[in-house]
Amino acid sequence: DAGITQSPRHKVTETGTPVTLRCHQTENHRYMYWYRQDPGHGLRLIHYSYGVKDTDKGEVSDGYSVSRSKTEDFLLTLESATSSQTSVYFCAIGETGGKEKLFFGSGTQLSVL
Amino acid sequence: LAKTTQPISMDSYEGQEVNITCSHNNIATNDYITWYQQFPSQGPRFIIQGYKTKVTNEVASLFIPADRKSSTLSLPRVSLSDTAVYYCLVVRSNDYKLSFGAGTTVTVRA
Repeated sequence: DAGITQSPRHKVTETGTPVTLRCHQTENHRYMYWYRQDPGHGLRLIHYSYGVKDTDKGEVSDGYSVSRSKTEDFLLTLESATSSQTSVYFCAIGETGGKEKLFFGSGTQLSVL
Repeated sequence: LAKTTQPISMDSYEGQEVNITCSHNNIATNDYITWYQQFPSQGPRFIIQGYKTKVTNEVASLFIPADRKSSTLSLPRVSLSDTAVYYCLVVRSNDYKLSFGAGTTVTVRA
């Protein structure tokens, strides 16, 4: 399996607090992605990165920011968590982007109360 | 990227062949068809990709007709462990915003 580690695996937080999720890879892949998964919606892209300090928005980016200061780390930040951001968050990596296969992490279950 | 349409759910029994058809009427010349599999409490896993005709690997077969407006993922002789969500995606080399949709939930019963 591809070397992808998401942390934390589970988190419970309160509305209005900041939350940061971390994705760490050991594969030296250029592309990294953050998805959220909710019942009935499949996986929806939040943000992605195509290199260090190079990021772009996905289809559901409102309320989220990302940073990538090193190839191996991609951080997802909820500046002020809301209950609608309760979800399972998946990180993915890809070597070349586009049609090349993605490798996914095990996910982070986030509950915002 | 071309929008895809696939059934929400399918039921099957152990030992049967499962065929999931995905429609992608607006597929472009440089698009590829890709399928991912997701088990409960895990991230999706790439299973197969094709451009035209037939592709087969140890997990599944992918059938793509000449017009490429649809594709069929075939899972031979399924077992209980094939219960998962299967996603059909249309992808291309220069587009990084991969969209997964809701997928098809396949439930295999004993």
